[in-house]
Amino acid sequence: EVQLVQSGAEVKKPGESLRISCKGSGYTFRSYWISWVRQMPGNGLEWMGRIDPTNSNTKYSPSFQGHVTISADRSISTAYLQWNSLKASDTAMYYCTRHHLMQEPFDFWGQGTLVSVS
Amino acid sequence: QSALTQPASVSGSPGQSITISCTGTSSDIGSFNYVSWYQQHPGKAPKLLIFDVSNRPSGISHRFSGSKSANTASLTISGLQAEDEADYYCSSYTTRSTLEFGGGTKLTVL
Repeated sequence: EVQLVQSGAEVKKPGESLRISCKGSGYTFRSYWISWVRQMPGNGLEWMGRIDPTNSNTKYSPSFQGHVTISADRSISTAYLQWNSLKASDTAMYYCTRHHLMQEPFDFWGQGTLVSVS
Repeated sequence: QSALTQPASVSGSPGQSITISCTGTSSDIGSFNYVSWYQQHPGKAPKLLIFDVSNRPSGISHRFSGSKSANTASLTISGLQAEDEADYYCSSYTTRSTLEFGGGTKLTVL
C-alpha cells in the first residue's frame, strides 16, 4: 500500500527554524517526485515546489523561492520542507504529494502537517 | 489571487448535475492537456478525481467527468449525492514547468 506519512504538528515562534518530513512507503521512492502544497487556514491549495529524489533537483514556485528549502534523503525514502526563519504568515497545513513528472497528477497525498507560528 | 479562476461556490440538489469551471490562460490550460481535479473534504487531504483533462483514476465514480475548451476546463458531477459535498480544486501544468491550482469551489448539496 502506497503511503506518504508526514511528521506531526508543530508550534513555533517567529524567527525559529523548522524542518518537517514526509516518508514514502509501498513504492519505489526514487521513481516519483515529491511536491509540497500549502493550505493556509480557510484558503485554497498552493503549489510550493518539488524535488526529484533521484538527483535532488528542485524547482520552486516563484511565490516560495527563497523562503523555503525542499530536500530529500532517498536512503530513508524521506522528503523535507525547511524554513530558516518562520513568520506568522507561515501558519498553515502543509501536504506532501507524489507524482512522476511535473505535468503528471498528484496521485497520493500525505495526511498533512499543521504548522502554527505565533 | 490564484492563477486559475473557479467559482467560489456551487450548489445542487441530490440527483442533479453540476459543473465547475476553471479558467486559465494560454500559459497553462490553453497550452496543455494536463488539467487535474481534486476533491477535499473538511479536515482531509485532497484526493485525485480527474487527470489529463478527462481521465479518472481507478476507483473514481463515473459520475465525475472532465472536459476542456480553449483556456477553460470543467468538472461535471452527475447524480449528485450528499457525500459529494466538499471543496473542489483544479490544477494545471504551466509553460514555466510549474503547477497552478485554482482557488477552489465549495459544493453544497441542498
